[in-house]
Formats: sequence, C-alpha cells, structure tokens
Amino acid sequence: DAGVTQSPTHLIKTRGQQVTLRCSPKSGHDTVSWYQQALGQGPQFIFQYYEEEERQRGNFPDRFSGHQFPNYSSELNVNALLLGDSALYLCASSFGLVAYEQYFGPGTRLTVT
Amino acid sequence: KNEVEQSPQNLTAQEGEFITINCSYSVGISALHWLQQHPGGGIVSLFMLSSGKKKHGRLIATINIQEKHSSLHITASHPRDSAVYICAVTFNNNDMRFGAGTRLTVKP
Repeated sequence: DAGVTQSPTHLIKTRGQQVTLRCSPKSGHDTVSWYQQALGQGPQFIFQYYEEEERQRGNFPDRFSGHQFPNYSSELNVNALLLGDSALYLCASSFGLVAYEQYFGPGTRLTVT
Repeated sequence: KNEVEQSPQNLTAQEGEFITINCSYSVGISALHWLQQHPGGGIVSLFMLSSGKKKHGRLIATINIQEKHSSLHITASHPRDSAVYICAVTFNNNDMRFGAGTRLTVKP
C-alpha cells in the first residue's frame, strides 16, 4: 500500500515563473491538505481539498491555487513566483473532513532564484 | 504570538537519557499531533491525541486539555531519535497549525 507520494522531489524556478506540484494521497484517503515549510520553521497551512473543492484556506495569496481530481490526487499551483516562495511544500492526506490522522508525503523542495 | 508554542527549540542529550518536549496551545482544539521530521523533510505522524496518554515503544505522549498542554517523552534515547519533533493542533474546522519544532540531537 503506497503512502502519500509527491512529485517532483526538487524543483528550481526563476522569479515570475509558474509551478505545479503534484500529490497522490494514501490509498483510501479522500482529503488532501497542502503546507509550506520555510527553512527552520514549522509548516504553514495553505489549503485543503475534499470532494474536488477547496474547503479550508490559510493565509496565502491568490497566487496559490489548487485542484483535486476525481481520483483524489491534487495539484498545487503557484503563479508569479517570488524568492520568498522557496520552501518545502508538503502534502498530507486523510479520510474525511474530521480530525483524523494525517499522513504526510516526502515533500517537494522548491527553490526560486 | 504563535498559536502553538514548543519548548525547548533545541535539545542535546546523551544516549540513554530521558527526554521531554513540551507543547502549549492557546485555544480549544479537536486534536493534537506529534510529528517527527528527519533531515530531507519527510514527516512521520507519531501520535494523535484528544485526551489522556498514548504510548508507542519508547515514545509517550500526554495531553492535558484543561491546561492546553502536551508533552512528548522519549525513554532510553538513541542517536537515531535525532530529528525535529513538531507539535501540531487541529481546530474544529480541521485547520491544522504547527509549532516551530524542537531540534533533538542525541549523542552516542
């Protein structure tokens, strides 16, 4: 049983570009949450997707958008990249919208130059 | 002020020592999580608590809902326990907030 997978593992982009990160949830999970973790800090909640809709959103600008597909996988899109967007982006999956245990993926490390 | 406060920020211990990491939060929650993050970023969920105490191997997690406080204990610590330990809380709307983490180094 595969856990949460994310792709790519590492990514280097230039300021102003757009990036798409991908996440496949653990088998049986239908909820995907995205987090941004800057170096030396705890993760920050970006948003959560359930039933292909954004259900919760943290304090992130509209440059951050997402999508969930019918197979529950999810994408995180960031437009007009800034240097400050350099971070580890973590995806976590769970079942339903209640506070069940979340399983985290290995993360995608994004570097913006 | 962060809604989730952890202490200490950094902790160095000798192999075999008993370790305690503390977490305090400021508002009512539906669950508290202890996570372990190794270099490279992968996060493993250790415990999810809403009351009482849980034990898994050498790890013990406790929570006091009235005092809004949780502790993670590691007995007989080992160098392989070296990692960042993160406390996170989930609110009723399922929003998850994280502490800044405690960097633990266990020396042989």
